[in-house]
Parts: sequence; C-alpha cells; structure tokens
Amino acid sequence: QVQLVQSGAEVRKPGSSVKVSCKASGDTSNTYSLNWVRQAPGQGLQWMGAIIPIFGAPTYAPTFQGRLTITADKSTGTAFMDLSNLGSEDTALYYCVREHSSLKFAAFDSWGQGTLITVSS
Amino acid sequence: QMTQSPSSLSASVGDRVTITCRASQSVMNYLNWYQQKPGKAPKLLIYATSTLQSGVPSRFAGSGSGTDFTLTISSLQPEDFATYYCQQSLVVPRTFGGGTTVDIK
Repeated sequence: QVQLVQSGAEVRKPGSSVKVSCKASGDTSNTYSLNWVRQAPGQGLQWMGAIIPIFGAPTYAPTFQGRLTITADKSTGTAFMDLSNLGSEDTALYYCVREHSSLKFAAFDSWGQGTLITVSS
Repeated sequence: QMTQSPSSLSASVGDRVTITCRASQSVMNYLNWYQQKPGKAPKLLIYATSTLQSGVPSRFAGSGSGTDFTLTISSLQPEDFATYYCQQSLVVPRTFGGGTTVDIK
C-alpha cells in the first residue's frame, strides 16, 4: 500500500495559479500512475489528469488542457499539480490518487488527504 | 460518460440496496465503485466490476458488463450510509458517475 501526503490548503485570487504537491511513500515499485481528482463543494468527483512518475509523461482531461501542468520528481516520489488562470469554479478539494493497474483492471486504491484550494478576490 | 441512478435513496438498516451505473459506451469490465463518507476521501470498494477490495465486507457486490453495472448492498448497515460513485478505467479521461447518496429512512 502507498501513502500519499499532500501539501496544505491555499487561498488564491482569480487569475492566479496554484501548485500542490503529493509525496508518495511505502511502494517502491513505481509501476503506478499518480492522478489528480477534484471535488467542488457538495459536488461529485472530477478526474483532472495523471502522470507515471518513472516515465514523466502526463495526460490531461480536455477540460483542463492548457492550464493544468502535472509533473513528477521520481527521485523523491513527489508529484505536482499546477493549475493556472484560476476562477471561482476552481474552488475545490484536490485529491492526489494512486491508480493501481494490471492487464485486467485499473483502480484508484490510495487517496491523499486532499488539499483545499479556495479562489476568492 | 457515466450515469448513476438514483441520485439519492433512503433506506433502513437491513434493507437490500441496488445502485445502477450506465456507461455511454462499453467499458468492458473496467468499472469500479467507491464509497465516500462526509469529510473523508473516497474509498475503493469494488474494482473490475465485481472484485472486492481487501477488507470490504461481503455484503457489497458488483455485477454487470459492457455498459450496465450494479452495486448491491445485501443488508444495509449503519456504517454504509454514504455516497457511492462508479468510475470507468478503460479509457482516458477517467470518468465518474454523478454519485448516489444513501441516507437513513
């Protein structure tokens, strides 16, 4: 099992950007992806994007293309989510999530504690 | 796109509860279910349509294939009152259903 520890809550003004970190520990196999899923207040879950730390190539949901950047430092097992041009609709709890996969399945089996991002003027 | 129904339901302890999830196109058996309690991160319940995650009670069961899936709780317990989400993991972007909130009748 992997443990995911995220950076703390942030408050940002509209139009600015925010960067959230997620440090993974406990699983040295590195054969997994780290994903970012967000949840606006009282709303459902929305997948944003992912990265496989050992490869470094991210994938993004079309909704966030152009203002989302996901990176990873494989030496420290840390992933980063950088979201720019923030608007009030980006106020949400952002989760770092490990996807464990094989030929027969892929599922989000470990979740970070969440990082609250508040966008307010 | 993943569509869950109902969006909410009220049930009593001991009831059998069924939640459905429909995909807009086949996801084969790459369908997962999560449980989320207020103030907590979601928790994986079932993966690959019907495989229980370690530690999940056997009263939870998943079934289906292709586009139509079901989560069944055979005898609802007090700790099962929560919101449940389905999610497809066949293609990117990963997508979730809108959620089903199970509350106390």
